[in-house]
Amino acid sequence: DQQVKQNSPSLSVQEGRISILNCDYTNSMFDYFLWYKKYPAEGPTFLISISSIKDKNEDGRFTVFLNKSAKHLSLHIVPSQPGDSAVYFCAAPDGGATNKLIFGTGTLLAVQP
Amino acid sequence: ETGVTQTPRHLVMGMTNKKSLKCEQHLGHNAMYWYKQSAKKPLELMFVYNFKEQTENNSVPSRFSPECPNSSHLFLHLHTLQPEDSALYLCASSQGQGSQPQHFGDGTRLSIL
Repeated sequence: DQQVKQNSPSLSVQEGRISILNCDYTNSMFDYFLWYKKYPAEGPTFLISISSIKDKNEDGRFTVFLNKSAKHLSLHIVPSQPGDSAVYFCAAPDGGATNKLIFGTGTLLAVQP
Repeated sequence: ETGVTQTPRHLVMGMTNKKSLKCEQHLGHNAMYWYKQSAKKPLELMFVYNFKEQTENNSVPSRFSPECPNSSHLFLHLHTLQPEDSALYLCASSQGQGSQPQHFGDGTRLSIL
């Protein structure tokens, strides 16, 4: 059973508009979430994170929102740029002995010029 | 220079071959990880090493054998692999485990004939 879900495999957005990438989780014990970005032929790179004591974390054009009651988080990119086109993964440490990261399946974002 | 370097970038091998994947991190981290990424699946954690000690083996078949001689180097020895083992194998490192962001290499694309 997937504990971290990204239900949209792809998203297409016009340059300059807002991109909203969604992620749902099932384990209410998760208390920290990370977003990674992955270009083709490269490894994922850490983008932004949020602790469950917050409901928002902002870093430049990137903002992550956390709704604990809905077990939902979203990544907002505004304004979107063509260089943002990549696969975005959300992840959460599982809280176990090694606190390993549980990843979603990713959402491919295409920003159209 | 990237912080985490993986070699080779691409590998094609027969099912009876023995090969090794190499990962080196230049970030002074003490935790290293092997992940497998198959098409349309989430990143799957395979192994975790913390200060050279294996702390997680995520039910990985014995045809995959990890080795961590020191905190900067991680190997994945492969023998008698199956076609379903064809995937992208990613190495990552972090300062400590859990909530610390992991830094990924660009991966080895493995194809089993």
